Amino acid sequence: GESVGLHLPTLSVQEGDNSIINCAYSNSASDYFIWYKQESGKGPQFIIDIRSNMDKRQGQRVTVLLNKTVKHLSLQIAATQPGDSAVYFCAEIKDDMRFGAGTRLTVKP
Amino acid sequence: EPEVTQTPSHQVTQMGQEVILRCVPISNHLYFYWYRQILGQKVEFLVSFYNNEISEKSEIFDDQFSVERPDGSNFTLKIRSTKLEDSAMYFCASTEDSSYGYTFGSGTRLTVV
Repeated sequence: GESVGLHLPTLSVQEGDNSIINCAYSNSASDYFIWYKQESGKGPQFIIDIRSNMDKRQGQRVTVLLNKTVKHLSLQIAATQPGDSAVYFCAEIKDDMRFGAGTRLTVKP
Repeated sequence: EPEVTQTPSHQVTQMGQEVILRCVPISNHLYFYWYRQILGQKVEFLVSFYNNEISEKSEIFDDQFSVERPDGSNFTLKIRSTKLEDSAMYFCASTEDSSYGYTFGSGTRLTVV
């Protein structure tokens, strides 16, 4: 499944499928980007980051892609699990960190 | 693993009252932040604090708000004359290096009635 974070704030996928969450950031001078996961009632939790001199970074089951030309960031989650259900925020850092609007990911068993 | 600790977890206050939200950042961190999240909305930056002074603040952070590091461990957010629209989750965050990701606390839910 795929979402445009700011225009489609919810994404529902089947367990085991891959998820793609998108984010458009605002400041072309931002040099560091982070994806956070926020579960209900908790604070944002760091997932993965990427610097502006990279266009792809992989973690465990997650990949972040950065397209500076169109100021677009995406988070790919492989083999999505029920525990991945949460709201996902992208954040950009220049002088301080600013969050995007978030996408709610729901994983159906 | 080191944590950012926030107290209380839930604060209910009457409109017009003053509240102080408390945070204990991670001990070797130098940069401190407050963010706000109104229910169902995105996390909004309020203020950053470094070297005992505010380094940046958003348009939300007006004269109603103030921050303080009263001792070597606590970092507080004071909200004067609270309004209904101040009801939100308030998150404290800290980092050792401002060019890296921040560690967030679990938040204080402020309810103004």
